[in-house]
Amino acid sequence: NAGVTQTPKFRILKIGQSMTLQCTQDMNHNYMYWYRQDPGMGLKLIYYSVGAGITDKGEVPNGYNVSRSTTEDFPLRLELAAPSQTSVYFCASSPSRDSYEQYFGPGTRLTVT
Amino acid sequence: KNQVEQSPQSLIILEGKNCTLQCNYTVSPFSNLRWYKQDTGRGPVSLTIMTFSENTKSNGRYTATLDADTKQSSLHITASQLSDSASYICVVSQYYGNNRLAFGKGNQVVVIP
Repeated sequence: NAGVTQTPKFRILKIGQSMTLQCTQDMNHNYMYWYRQDPGMGLKLIYYSVGAGITDKGEVPNGYNVSRSTTEDFPLRLELAAPSQTSVYFCASSPSRDSYEQYFGPGTRLTVT
Repeated sequence: KNQVEQSPQSLIILEGKNCTLQCNYTVSPFSNLRWYKQDTGRGPVSLTIMTFSENTKSNGRYTATLDADTKQSSLHITASQLSDSASYICVVSQYYGNNRLAFGKGNQVVVIP
């Protein structure tokens, strides 16, 4: 099992550009999450999904969109990138709501200039 | 607001020595508390998970304790190794909320030879 994979590893965007961060898991987990981690801060939940076709907002959803067409994939879309979105983005998955374990991907480091 | 506070923010220890990291939380109602290890440039990896009925849990040289009455947890690292250099993140889960987690900012540990 590859676990949770994310692409790209690094990206530099200009203000106003758009991009999609990819996340794929091969563990057949129902729950998937997107977090951002700013320097010196705790991870913050952007969006999450409890299964294919179902998504919901987390703590900091503004400026982002998600979709979940399959169990495996949970892409995060940035529209009109802003410097405030410079961060490291982590995707995670877990088997179920009652599961205590979340498995994290390696992260995508995004810089918006 | 549900918060997780960790101390010390950072520490340097000699290889072979022990250290203890602290976590205080205000998350309510409480479901479980996790300690994650995050190596530089990587995603967090779970070390221990404890519910309110568990006082201590070990994972190799890592031992976590939980006092649900005082809402405090600690992570003890025994006989530290260079590979223990990482950020250790305390994460608390609410009883309700689709596995929503409150993340601390982390304890940055540097082990020197």
